[in-house]
Amino acid sequence: DAKTTQPNSMESNEEEPVHLPCNHSTISGTDYIHWYRQLPSQGPEYVIHGLTSNVNNRMASLAIAEDRKSSTLILHRATLRDAAVYYCIPGNQFYFGTGTSLTVIP
Amino acid sequence: KAGVTQTPRYLIKTRGQQVTLSCSPISGHRSVSWYQQTPGQGLQFLFEYFSETQRNKGNFPGRFSGRQFSNSRSEMNVSTLELGDSALYLCASSLEPWDHSGSYEQYFGPGTRLTVT
Repeated sequence: DAKTTQPNSMESNEEEPVHLPCNHSTISGTDYIHWYRQLPSQGPEYVIHGLTSNVNNRMASLAIAEDRKSSTLILHRATLRDAAVYYCIPGNQFYFGTGTSLTVIP
Repeated sequence: KAGVTQTPRYLIKTRGQQVTLSCSPISGHRSVSWYQQTPGQGLQFLFEYFSETQRNKGNFPGRFSGRQFSNSRSEMNVSTLELGDSALYLCASSLEPWDHSGSYEQYFGPGTRLTVT
């Protein structure tokens, strides 16, 4: 399984963009990169996933480095509802790690 | 389309008892996975079922077991409960099983909060 490194916590001001980084230097060539988030007192929620090129959906964008050793989840305008723990999961998507706790400041 | 449902939502049991938790996946989803979440250990994978067969298993003792029915609904069972089994148990469903690259996303239910006293 790919080793994953994410910051333990980040802060963002409301309505500003947020860039959540993830390093996965041992990722294999066929591993998708998934991002999930978990709001307080809820089950995890799927955010986005991709393989090589950048991906966009209604929730976020995923920027994947050309060498695939890192990726960045981009929330274009943070809202209070985006305060959650964000998990980056390359490859074996059963292993969630500790994630990044995002605080959104009003 | 209805999401993943889990029953019951809350449960209190006594040490030594056993418990069965139920999960109904999103319609059309054929793979179901179970996770345990505790403050100390985080989110830990228990097992994955597809076509009524356990395909992947995490590092949990044999007291934790599961099964999947032909309609993709799944149950997990914990026997001889210990205090340390107190946790949020989460079920997730996916269209297809994990395929070593992880191309299918999972959708999680709200969880069952189990308290063992």
